[in-house]
Amino acid sequence: DAKTTQPNSMESNEEEPVHLPCNHSTISGTDYIHWYRQLPSQGPEYVIHGLTSNVNNRMASLAIAEDRKSSTLILHRATLRDAAVYYCILKRSGNTGKLIFGQGTTLQVKP
Amino acid sequence: GAGVSQSPSNKVTEKGKDVELRCDPISGHTALYWYRQSLGQGLEFLIYFQGNSAPDKSGLPSDRFSAERTGGSVSTLTIQRTQQEDSAVYLCASSYNPGPPQETQYFGPGTRLLVL
Repeated sequence: DAKTTQPNSMESNEEEPVHLPCNHSTISGTDYIHWYRQLPSQGPEYVIHGLTSNVNNRMASLAIAEDRKSSTLILHRATLRDAAVYYCILKRSGNTGKLIFGQGTTLQVKP
Repeated sequence: GAGVSQSPSNKVTEKGKDVELRCDPISGHTALYWYRQSLGQGLEFLIYFQGNSAPDKSGLPSDRFSAERTGGSVSTLTIQRTQQEDSAVYLCASSYNPGPPQETQYFGPGTRLLVL
């Protein structure tokens, strides 16, 4: 599976937008970009995914670069509850569907 | 609807004892995954079930680890002769169909295992 690179940590102020970057320069044409997050003392939860076009849902937006070598998870108004580790993961068809987690980005939200 | 549940939520055991961890996936989900998260480590894949069979056991760290799934539903992860390095949070996840790359996984809250 292709590798992703994320900053180890980021900080944000409450109610401000947050842009979490992810580099995936070896992405293949069939790889989907998934984001999960893990709140303290909880299991990971799905946030959003996309293939080529930008995506929006109730939790966040996903902006995908035109060459697909990078993507950005956007939280439009960070809340204290958004403090978590955010994982960017590539998934392709034809495998078992298992998720390969990197170190992720630890997001700290300051009041 | 009900999410993925795991039991026990916490388990303390002595080195050398066997432990069993249970996972109840979301009803109707055919795929079930076990992951482990050790202190200071990332999440690592252990084993994948499709129905009752396990086509991918590549993440099991040693032959002390085994898992089974019955009735296409509940799964049990067994660790024999536990060692202190087995201390970790064991997470279970399920998905409806593992094939499509857009398919998402739903995680349980995890079982926190401490081996003394």
